[in-house]
Amino acid sequence: QVQLVQSGAEVKKPGASVKVSCKASGYSFIRYGITWVRQAPGQGLEWMGWISPYNGNTNYAQKLQDRVTMTTDTSTSTAYMELRSLRSDDTAVYYCARSESGSLDPWGQGTLVTVSS
Amino acid sequence: SYELTQPPSVSVSPGQAARITCSGDALPKKYAYWYQQKSGQAPVLFIYEDSKRPSGIPERFSGSSSGTMATLTISGAQVEDEADYYCYSTDSSANSTWVFGGGTKLTVL
Repeated sequence: QVQLVQSGAEVKKPGASVKVSCKASGYSFIRYGITWVRQAPGQGLEWMGWISPYNGNTNYAQKLQDRVTMTTDTSTSTAYMELRSLRSDDTAVYYCARSESGSLDPWGQGTLVTVSS
Repeated sequence: SYELTQPPSVSVSPGQAARITCSGDALPKKYAYWYQQKSGQAPVLFIYEDSKRPSGIPERFSGSSSGTMATLTISGAQVEDEADYYCYSTDSSANSTWVFGGGTKLTVL
């Protein structure tokens, strides 16, 4: 079955970087995009950006584009999201999702990133 | 920046119809998508391209869109439908920024 499995929870200090992985299985990895979404505690969903595993094209949310990098490794069907210069308000659950236009399906299980001194 | 506006909460009794709206200036030209998120779980796609239902989604869920408003309707809400619902769409710029609505908490009691 189609599945996305994300890396485990992380605790980081302000100013550090975090890299979350998302391993895909059950489908042709290069045929669909990967969208990253985050959710701060008790808050709504926030679109972070998208990457095409086929050609590496990316599209980032304007508020994050100076700090975020999305990449893929087609040899392992894995997508990565790196966020730099972490702040306390980056504390959130980070999700990856297979995407075809606005259809995000399925989603990974989520990765909690806690930013705390 | 582009915004999608949803009511923060909707309450219905079991068996009643529930309607959740989503307004956005680009919706006349762009599809709306709807996601259900239950507490502590990842979101799930419930409606795509305004009104299409993925396999496995109950028939009581339907979507529609008219002008600048998209609507998710649950005909005969069940207790298990209690969840947060988010609309999702894109603006009409060349860079295709996507955005979620603020989410609507559906209470069925």
